[in-house]
Amino acid sequence: AQSVTQLGSHVSVSEGALVLLRCNYSSSVPPYLFWYVQYPNQGLQLLLKYTTGATLVKGINGFEAEFKKSETSFHLTKPSAHMSDAAEYFCAVSAYTGRRALTFGSGTRLQVQP
Amino acid sequence: DAGITQSPRHKVTETGTPVTLRCHQTENHRYMYWYRQDPGHGLRLIHYSYGVKDTDKGEVSDGYSVSRSKTEDFLLTLESATSSQTSVYFCAISESGASTGELFFGEGSRLTVL
Repeated sequence: AQSVTQLGSHVSVSEGALVLLRCNYSSSVPPYLFWYVQYPNQGLQLLLKYTTGATLVKGINGFEAEFKKSETSFHLTKPSAHMSDAAEYFCAVSAYTGRRALTFGSGTRLQVQP
Repeated sequence: DAGITQSPRHKVTETGTPVTLRCHQTENHRYMYWYRQDPGHGLRLIHYSYGVKDTDKGEVSDGYSVSRSKTEDFLLTLESATSSQTSVYFCAISESGASTGELFFGEGSRLTVL
């Protein structure tokens, strides 16, 4: 079974500051890891994903995440926050074997202050 | 945008009444999912389908049933709605399953059970 823990349900940063959203996972098999973003009153859309290969993954809107197996982490970063980044962010995990569904973390709401 | 339509988008009903939510896709994707989203819990899997008439339970399936008689439609039924089922319900689709494929989400159906 897989699980995801997102540290911090709310994160507030100033515009132009570094964004760091934390995600730790648990998986008994090699994981596939995802970050999704949800804007108000919308569905989720994929930011980036790690399946195999390079552990530093670049996504849309300037976000990136690094898979660290030794730390069981997949933290999301962006060097400079923009007002439009304000949204809720979800980390998710799946495995190649078994159920082909995602297990989500509880989410982190990012607030960007002017 | 992925062709996913959820209906109804908003519904208010009373405890004990049956409710059916519909997810319709135009992408011919094999996998379809129903998640519910609640504050502090992220998204939790209710049921999913890996083909016509092939479905399986998720983590929070009690009180819910599903049917998939056509590739394009995935129905979620609450046989007797309870207040604990007040939530936002999201349908998602995937061509190859969550392991390596992206999930595309609908815009959600907000259900209130009084």
